Amino acid sequence: GAVVSQHPSWVICKSGTSVKIECRSLDFQATTMFWYRQFPKQSLMLMATSNEGSKATYEQGVEKDKFLINHASLTLSTLTVTSAHPEDSSFYICSASQIGTDTQYFGPGTRLTVL
Amino acid sequence: QKEVEQNSGPLSVPEGAIASLNCTYSDRGSQSFFWYRQYSGKSPELIMFIYSNGDKEDGRFTAQLNKASQYVSLLIRDSQPSDSATYLCAVTGSGDDKIIFGKGTRLHILP
Repeated sequence: GAVVSQHPSWVICKSGTSVKIECRSLDFQATTMFWYRQFPKQSLMLMATSNEGSKATYEQGVEKDKFLINHASLTLSTLTVTSAHPEDSSFYICSASQIGTDTQYFGPGTRLTVL
Repeated sequence: QKEVEQNSGPLSVPEGAIASLNCTYSDRGSQSFFWYRQYSGKSPELIMFIYSNGDKEDGRFTAQLNKASQYVSLLIRDSQPSDSATYLCAVTGSGDDKIIFGKGTRLHILP
């Protein structure tokens, strides 16, 4: 149980394009989903907390207009990196918490490379 | 600023020995404590969670929590080369649903 999927697992795009990453909880309902970014050999960095049906809460220093988050249902959250640039190249990982718990289960991550 | 501190390592342990990973946290109001394992290039995988003072055992893993001293540890018995990874300690902040992660300890099991 508690499986989280992400799609795509790997994406390469040109500078200036937008990329959408999907995060799904497959066997449970998640009121809260989280988006993290991790650069090579660095620790996880929380970007934003997403609650179903409401606006995401972004961490300090994360541009909400650049990283658009939508949590449309209890099993799906999306992160759109708008006008991506090479410095946005990173490993993006989502996690989800089951209703009534604070345990986070992570998706497999999406590796974004912006040329 | 709520913090979770871990020794970055690498911690080298012979195969078959006990690996001991430690973590301290700053927020006395923290209620939930987690250990995640992260292999290079992969996302974190939940190993254990603990809520109460004392020990919690699951197979070869034992989590230990001491809220008075604000530390949590993970013991891995009969260490295997496949245990070589970065171990992340994570703690919930009081009053919100975020988890605060430590920077992780790199564990290397020597065959």
